[in-house]
Amino acid sequence: GESVGLHLPTLSVQEGDNSIINCAYSNSASDYFIWYKQESGKGPQFIIDIRSNMDKRQGQRVTVLLNKTVKHLSLQIAATQPGDSAVYFCAEKMDSSYKLIFGSGTRLLVRP
Amino acid sequence: GAVVSQHPSWVICKSGTSVKIECRSLDFQATTMFWYRQFPKQSLMLMATSNEGSKATYEQGVEKDKFLINHASLTLSTLTVTSAHPEDSSFYICSAKPEGFFGYTFGSGTRLTVV
Repeated sequence: GESVGLHLPTLSVQEGDNSIINCAYSNSASDYFIWYKQESGKGPQFIIDIRSNMDKRQGQRVTVLLNKTVKHLSLQIAATQPGDSAVYFCAEKMDSSYKLIFGSGTRLLVRP
Repeated sequence: GAVVSQHPSWVICKSGTSVKIECRSLDFQATTMFWYRQFPKQSLMLMATSNEGSKATYEQGVEKDKFLINHASLTLSTLTVTSAHPEDSSFYICSAKPEGFFGYTFGSGTRLTVV
């Protein structure tokens, strides 16, 4: 299988602050990107997605930014809440297939 | 809509036995499903792409004779871990992509423990 790295960095933020989670993706031909949230013992939960013809997309309390020049994706969470504590993964779909490849993930810890 | 049901949620088996994991699309037809494996504190690793009515496509390094995939209908894919060993203990997750939609839907995962 494929994966981008095997490390799991941790981001610790104060409740109410904004969080920014970053991801470097691997393939310049990828045309679709998704952010997932995973809680312990559960499957990934969709947060927000973005196509390669966009550079920003907003949802409820979340914003995804795409920089194709440097192959970088970020997830911004506004007013972070304790329920946001989880592991966050970016995933990319390569243009030529439907395979979804996951990044290495970031653990978000929200301090009360 | 677009719900994927995965069963069982956890299973413990003895070394050398086989275990079957089911992945069902409940409200849509899925010609393609995906199987992932996730070890503790690691990312999801794509194992194989399951294609309805044809052979699965395995990722490099995944033993197709050990991880048998059957996708006999448009709503069901199964993963059978044959002759399981303790190193096969992991969290297995399936996913499907509804036709005509960009997004993917994931199952809740199966925790396999081989003793």
